[in-house]
Amino acid sequence: SQTIHQWPATLVQPVGSPLSLECTVEGTSNPNLYWYRQAAGRGLQLLFYSVGIGQISSEVPQNLSASRPQDRQFILSSKKLLLSDSGFYLCAWQADRGRRDTQYFGPGTRLTVL
Amino acid sequence: AQSVTQPDIHITVSEGASLELRCNYSYGATPYLFWYVQSPGQGLQLLLKYFSGDTLVQGIKGFEAEFKRSQSSFNLRKPSVHWSDAAEYFCAVGPPGGTGGYNKLIFGAGTRLAVHP
Repeated sequence: SQTIHQWPATLVQPVGSPLSLECTVEGTSNPNLYWYRQAAGRGLQLLFYSVGIGQISSEVPQNLSASRPQDRQFILSSKKLLLSDSGFYLCAWQADRGRRDTQYFGPGTRLTVL
Repeated sequence: AQSVTQPDIHITVSEGASLELRCNYSYGATPYLFWYVQSPGQGLQLLLKYFSGDTLVQGIKGFEAEFKRSQSSFNLRKPSVHWSDAAEYFCAVGPPGGTGGYNKLIFGAGTRLAVHP
């Protein structure tokens, strides 16, 4: 069966510091991968998606970037964090063949920027 | 424009009472429809989904949802709520057919459910 991991679970960072959040998927190959942000009391905002290694698409301009160095690894980064980057970050995977319709979410990373 | 509306931001019910969470969507064609649940500090868990066929869909944890094309609605129901159902519930829609490189889901803002003992 497929599983999705996110690391770290929680993170407190000062403004201006760098960021690296990791998402890994097991039990599937060539998944579509997504990064979402959920601000306090808000819905989900799609940040990035990837359909393959090195292929990244951004949904909204922002202070963040994403990379996919391996098939089942998706990384969210920032060079200098802003206060507004605080939130709950969710990674999701989706099969690239067959029923390419359902997204499955990881446990999330709580980021607090002080 | 494509959108999902969950009219109720907060709902409080008593344990054992029935529950209905509303979801309305605006989409060019009949989309794929999803309900997810999020416990505090956790990721989203898929409760159920509708693609086609029977408009009453059964999901996990005793939940069901009914698709009504004429009303562009996909309401979530449970006949008897348990205290462990307290969570936030998200309705989402996606393009039908699973075509293309990826499928963008559009999420509602969520409904937070509180359960009184």
